[in-house]
Amino acid sequence: QQQVKQSPQSLIVQKGGISIINCAYENTAFDYFPWYQQFPGKGPALLIAIRPDVSEKKEGRFTISFNKSAKQFSLHIMDSQPGDSATYFCAALIQGAQKLVFGQGTRLTINP
Amino acid sequence: GAVVSQHPSWVICKSGTSVKIECRSLDFQATTMFWYRQFPKQSLMLMATSNEGSKATYEQGVEKDKFLINHASLTLSTLTVTSAHPEDSSFYICSASGGAQDLYEQYFGPGTRLTVT
Repeated sequence: QQQVKQSPQSLIVQKGGISIINCAYENTAFDYFPWYQQFPGKGPALLIAIRPDVSEKKEGRFTISFNKSAKQFSLHIMDSQPGDSATYFCAALIQGAQKLVFGQGTRLTINP
Repeated sequence: GAVVSQHPSWVICKSGTSVKIECRSLDFQATTMFWYRQFPKQSLMLMATSNEGSKATYEQGVEKDKFLINHASLTLSTLTVTSAHPEDSSFYICSASGGAQDLYEQYFGPGTRLTVT
């Protein structure tokens, strides 16, 4: 119940295309859903996050879509660029518990 | 704002020795700090959670006598890997929460690569 399932494991997108990464969860107590970007040899950096009272959040080229009834959320990267090539992790949190539960990660490669 | 640093960024030690990794919140007071471990091409695995001035809470399967965590101040937490063995070689990442913007948001450090020979 504490798992967050992320797919796909790896993704290759052409420059300018849309990258889509999906996550699903079971625990309805989760109330905060962040996405992290990690470059090789670096720590994760917060990209964008959403709370379950909204269905979509957009920041620049990055959009989170959230489907509460399906217990799914996804990250869309518009106009994908080679600099977006990294590993992306979705996560979920019960704010009172503070403990982040991470998805398995998606290795994204943007071909020039 | 909300910058977390780690030191060292990489360390090599001999089997049987101990190594200490520092995690500092540079521009905010971190009420809670977290230590993660990440193996190549895998996700982050939470090792322990520590609140300033309290004993750390370890996740199931993490040996607290092997991975000593100290959170002595609101800006510093340390992880000491005692009697290190080659299987302890990994990427160790800390995070901190308690920043002004969002009490529960975790800000991650750059990680420490530990290699035990």
